[in-house]
Formats: sequence, C-alpha cells, structure tokens
Amino acid sequence: IAGITQAPTSQILAAGRRMTLRCTQDMRHNAMYWYRQDLGLGLRLIHYSNTAGTTGKGEVPDGYSVSRANTDDFPLTLASAVPSQTSVYFCASSAEGSYNEQFFGPGTRLTVL
Amino acid sequence: EDQVTQSPEALRLQEGESSSLNCSYTVSGLRGLFWYRQDPGKGPEFLFTLYSAGEEKEKERLKATLTKKESFLHITAPKPEDSATYLCAVQAHSWGKFQFGAGTQVVVTP
Repeated sequence: IAGITQAPTSQILAAGRRMTLRCTQDMRHNAMYWYRQDLGLGLRLIHYSNTAGTTGKGEVPDGYSVSRANTDDFPLTLASAVPSQTSVYFCASSAEGSYNEQFFGPGTRLTVL
Repeated sequence: EDQVTQSPEALRLQEGESSSLNCSYTVSGLRGLFWYRQDPGKGPEFLFTLYSAGEEKEKERLKATLTKKESFLHITAPKPEDSATYLCAVQAHSWGKFQFGAGTQVVVTP
C-alpha cells in the first residue's frame, strides 16, 4: 500500500542521547516535512525539504537536523535529546512542492526522560 | 503576524445534531486552506482544499466553506464515526509552508 512509514512507533529516550526518527515514502513526492504535535499547540513545522538534496528550517528547528539524500527518505535527528522534545512526531509529504495537500505518516511518540 | 485560530476547542454532539467548526486566519495572500481529520493515535488525513473565497467542497456529511477571513466545516447529521479532531491549515504565497490551527475535538454520542 502506497504511503508514508515512520519508525519507531514509540521510543523512550534518556536525555542527552542521540536519536534518529526514520521516514520513508513511496509516492515519489518531491516535498517532505517533519512536524511535532503537542497538546494545545497543534502541529508545528520543524524542518522541510522541497526536493532531494535541499532542506529548510521550519518554525521550531532548534535541536533537530534533517537530511534528504534521496526522494524517498527524510530522517530527523535529535543530536542530544532534552525533555522538551517529548512529543509526537509526524512526517508528511506532498507532490509538486508545497502547493498540494500533505499526506501524513502514523507518527512516532517520543518520550525524553 | 500570520495566525490560524480554530474554535471551539472541543464540541460534543448528539448523533444527528448538525453543527459547524470555525477556522479563522490572518495571512497575507492566501494560497490555500486545508482541512484534515485526525483520529486518536493516527496521523492527520486530508479532507478538503479551498483556494478562493466563496468556494465550497463536500464529502459525505462534511461541507467546507471559505471566506476572506475564515473557513467553516459544517457537519450535517453527524454519526459517532465522525468523532475525531478536525484540523485546518493555511498556506500563504509568501512562505509556501503550511501553518496549522490547534484543532477542534469533536465527539458524537449515539
């Protein structure tokens, strides 16, 4: 089934540890995004990529990094996790850049202790 | 400053009791307004895109409308399976990326 997969589904992480959240899409979409979702704050954009090889900062990029080596994969890395990064993380993609609707993955629930 | 505000935060409806959700926005140069449905523990699911004031879209019991300052999602004769959080997002020409509202949690009881 075409769509977006994310891994892991959930993770508990000690503060200070490095963590990479994985995201893969098989729709050949050019644009991909990482959001975090916190209660009462909605979805906030962390980083985005309009096409393979390019990335950009969203609303809340501090403490996170991304890479886009190919069309399908868009990993999100927390270099040194902090408790404020406890959240649910969603990866999304859209065709033809950012003009079209986004399709979301199932999310990764991350707890940083 | 560009903003997206959804109201109410939560809505409890009896089955068959129609209602409307509001998404108000302040953005310079709207490129598109998007509605999503999100079930607990899942990612948002796309519902509608509206591009210009006066535009309307329908899907089953849902109807989305757009004015220059707000969008409404009308739920007609809702069923329990319509229970979800409904999110709206706007996209401006100037920044291209999506900005989401905090959502309206809808619970429909039999």
